[in-house]
Amino acid sequence: DTAVSQTPKYLVTQMGNDKSIKCEQNLGHDTMYWYKQDSKKFLKIMFSYNNKELIINETVPNRFSPKSPDKAHLNLHINSLELGDSAVYFCASSQENENIQYFGAGTRLSVL
Amino acid sequence: RKEVEQDPGPFNVPEGATVAFNCTYSNSASQSFFWYRQDCRKEPKLLMSVYSSGNEDGRFTAQLNRASQYISLLIRDSKLSDSATYLCVVNDIGGGADGLTFGKGTHLIIQP
Repeated sequence: DTAVSQTPKYLVTQMGNDKSIKCEQNLGHDTMYWYKQDSKKFLKIMFSYNNKELIINETVPNRFSPKSPDKAHLNLHINSLELGDSAVYFCASSQENENIQYFGAGTRLSVL
Repeated sequence: RKEVEQDPGPFNVPEGATVAFNCTYSNSASQSFFWYRQDCRKEPKLLMSVYSSGNEDGRFTAQLNRASQYISLLIRDSKLSDSATYLCVVNDIGGGADGLTFGKGTHLIIQP
């Protein structure tokens, strides 16, 4: 049973399209995150979200928006995709006020 | 700006050797420290937390020096399976998108 699962695993799309990546966790955690890992392997947080608060990294373009239908899901919507959005996107979760995060397997996004 | 610095390597080490690498962090108010491991094309996974008194888990020993703001990881009797990228992670007060900072990772290659 996968604790944090994200779909799709691979996503290849054209510039200008709108796409979504889904994330689900079955750990009962309160907080979920989205990270971007670029071609230089630098892992950078984009959002953290729990049922009280969305914290946005100020460097993330507003074309990126997280959507949480319930505590177990945090989906990532991306509008008007650009070439520079190509990266691996990781979802993660943790229990509120605990520091250890559990990551999904990643979604490899390629924008052509 | 909060930063976590690591030597990217690669560190090429013969099997059975002992290897150590460090990480420095810029925010003196940082609260929690971790080492994560990331295999090629996989997600990061927690290797171990780092405690002020230092801690050991099998062949792995982590040390924290708050005065000098650095964290170290020592691997004894290295195995081929230890080949991976080791990410230094620092969590500041409050956690969340503002709190969790990843280093760029140190790439370790264990050679037979």
